[in-house]
Amino acid sequence: DQQVKQNSPSLSVQEGRISILNCDYTNSMFDYFLWYKKYPAEGPTFLISISSIKDKNEDGRFTVFLNKSAKHLSLHIVPSQPGDSAVYFCAARKSSGDKLTFGTGTRLAVRP
Amino acid sequence: DTEVTQTPKHLVMGMTNKKSLKCEQHMGHRAMYWYKQKAKKPPELMFVYSYEKLSINESVPSRFSPECPNSSLLNLHLHALQPEDSALYLCASSQERGLPEAFFGQGTRLTVV
Repeated sequence: DQQVKQNSPSLSVQEGRISILNCDYTNSMFDYFLWYKKYPAEGPTFLISISSIKDKNEDGRFTVFLNKSAKHLSLHIVPSQPGDSAVYFCAARKSSGDKLTFGTGTRLAVRP
Repeated sequence: DTEVTQTPKHLVMGMTNKKSLKCEQHMGHRAMYWYKQKAKKPPELMFVYSYEKLSINESVPSRFSPECPNSSLLNLHLHALQPEDSALYLCASSQERGLPEAFFGQGTRLTVV
């Protein structure tokens, strides 16, 4: 039972354009959402997060949008850079819980 | 220092061996975690330690035995593993239990033969 889903296994974007990575979840008990980036042979690196009381959080080139009614979140990267090429994992946490439930990841390739 | 360091990076062990994975952080974080990641799958939580005490065990088989000797160190002792236990084992830490922004190590790639 995959409670956090990233339906696009891969995405290719031209440098300078916007990258949009999507994530859907099924459990309405999730109240905190995170995006992690993972390069080969490295552990995941925390990128940005959002609480369920917000619908947008921005940090530099990265913006996360949350649509609670649709149980959907997205990560926007503008402008995309070749160094952004990595696997991006969406993760979710239930209120007062410790467990992060991860999606299966989307591999982003930014073409120069 | 914002690193979580895991050793070894790679480990090959037989099904009758005993080995240990080590994880270290010097960020003063009081919560530490073990995750397991199989190929093309997301990381899955195994254990959570908070203030050096085991607080969550996600029904992990007893052939995996965690240990937190002090606030900076986390070990995972392995004994009598099966080939299906081959995976990337990730250690992570966060400031406190309940704060989800975790720092991850690069992982130990374990192969059980």
